[in-house]
Amino acid sequence: AQSVTQPDIHITVSEGASLELRCNYSYGATPYLFWYVQSPGQGLQLLLKYFSGDTLVQGIKGFEAEFKRSQSSFNLRKPSVHWSDAAEYFCAVALEGSSNTGKLIFGQGTTLQVKP
Amino acid sequence: EPEVTQTPSHQVTQMGQEVILRCVPISNHLYFYWYRQILGQKVEFLVSFYNNEISEKSEIFDDQFSVERPDGSNFTLKIRSTKLEDSAMYFCASKNDRVSGPLHFGNGTRLTVT
Repeated sequence: AQSVTQPDIHITVSEGASLELRCNYSYGATPYLFWYVQSPGQGLQLLLKYFSGDTLVQGIKGFEAEFKRSQSSFNLRKPSVHWSDAAEYFCAVALEGSSNTGKLIFGQGTTLQVKP
Repeated sequence: EPEVTQTPSHQVTQMGQEVILRCVPISNHLYFYWYRQILGQKVEFLVSFYNNEISEKSEIFDDQFSVERPDGSNFTLKIRSTKLEDSAMYFCASKNDRVSGPLHFGNGTRLTVT
């Protein structure tokens, strides 16, 4: 079955430290890949997406993610975390070639806590 | 920046009652979606809607659920007879492009069924 796994439910990092959030997917084909962020009381905001081309994609708020086909992974990174990055982060996929790329399969989410 | 807006932010209802969750997608968007997130679980796709009809629905979206675009701006999700297990956060989303356009989400409606 198709699935998206975020192995880390909760991560705590110090402000200014680097961050990597993991995401693995299970699909036969290459999916479209997304990272969303949700702050408390807010909706899901798109951080970045990968459809094709360069496997390192840049997003908003200084985030980047790298697609690694061999590892079926799409990990999210940020070199220096700010206190305002504390939120819940969701990895999501849609099937390449799908006629409905708004139909996303989400991971469980990773809650990021930032220590001062 | 245009936003997807959802009302109400929190809805409390008794089991067996009908509820309507309302959404105003971004004005030039053509593709509309409902997702839900039960507390502690993943965000799940419910239904997609295009050209005034359902384009796809999940197994969750049974006969108790319906969607409608009653006018040019609103997009609603109706649950005919709510069950306790319908308690969840419901997200509306929209996009303007079938393939590459990003999905824009609203802030959600928290539905509590008592």
